[in-house]
Amino acid sequence: DVKVTQSSRYLVKRTGEKVFLECVQDMDHENMFWYRQDPGLGLRLIYFSYDVKMKEKGDIPEGYSVSREKKERFSLILESASTNQTSMYLCASSLSGITGELFFGEGSRLTVL
Amino acid sequence: ILNVEQSPQSLHVQEGDSTNFTCSFPSSNFYALHWYRWETAKSPEALFVMTLNGDEKKKGRISATLNTKEGYSYLYIKGSQPEDSATYLCACGSSNTGKLIFGQGTTLQVKP
Repeated sequence: DVKVTQSSRYLVKRTGEKVFLECVQDMDHENMFWYRQDPGLGLRLIYFSYDVKMKEKGDIPEGYSVSREKKERFSLILESASTNQTSMYLCASSLSGITGELFFGEGSRLTVL
Repeated sequence: ILNVEQSPQSLHVQEGDSTNFTCSFPSSNFYALHWYRWETAKSPEALFVMTLNGDEKKKGRISATLNTKEGYSYLYIKGSQPEDSATYLCACGSSNTGKLIFGQGTTLQVKP
């Protein structure tokens, strides 16, 4: 059974803390993505990666960075968490760009106090 | 930024009713249209990926159509069941950005 695994389902952090969200996929997919989901706004793309050590900004990259040192792992980093980054974060992977279906993790719900 | 709109925002139906919802997108630079089902406490799961104008796809009681010239896709559920209760997301990919843009979703509640 193919899988995308996110390290934490629920996190509570304080303003200013550094936050790491980890995502691992076991499908040997080239493409990996980080989205955030907020009520009424749909999924918004933060960053994506088409290859190891490669990253591209999505539509809302401000306040975030990413790391892809290995093909199977894509990490989202909040250098200094702020309350407006309280959200549901979803990681996804796909085999082939925008025509390949996305396989999602179960999401990480982050609360920043 | 590409604007993808879904309607209605939410829908309540009785078990056995058939239902449909809409995804609208700009028709210029269209490349692909995705539909996902997102059940509470689970991961979103792909239903369909469509690329050609006039495409129709079916999976059990769920089907989808695509009109790239006028910029819309319909998702149909025949004989809704309580287990169909979920948020249905569409996403459109354009050739000039290479990215998928998601709509806000349609939340379906099916009452037994």
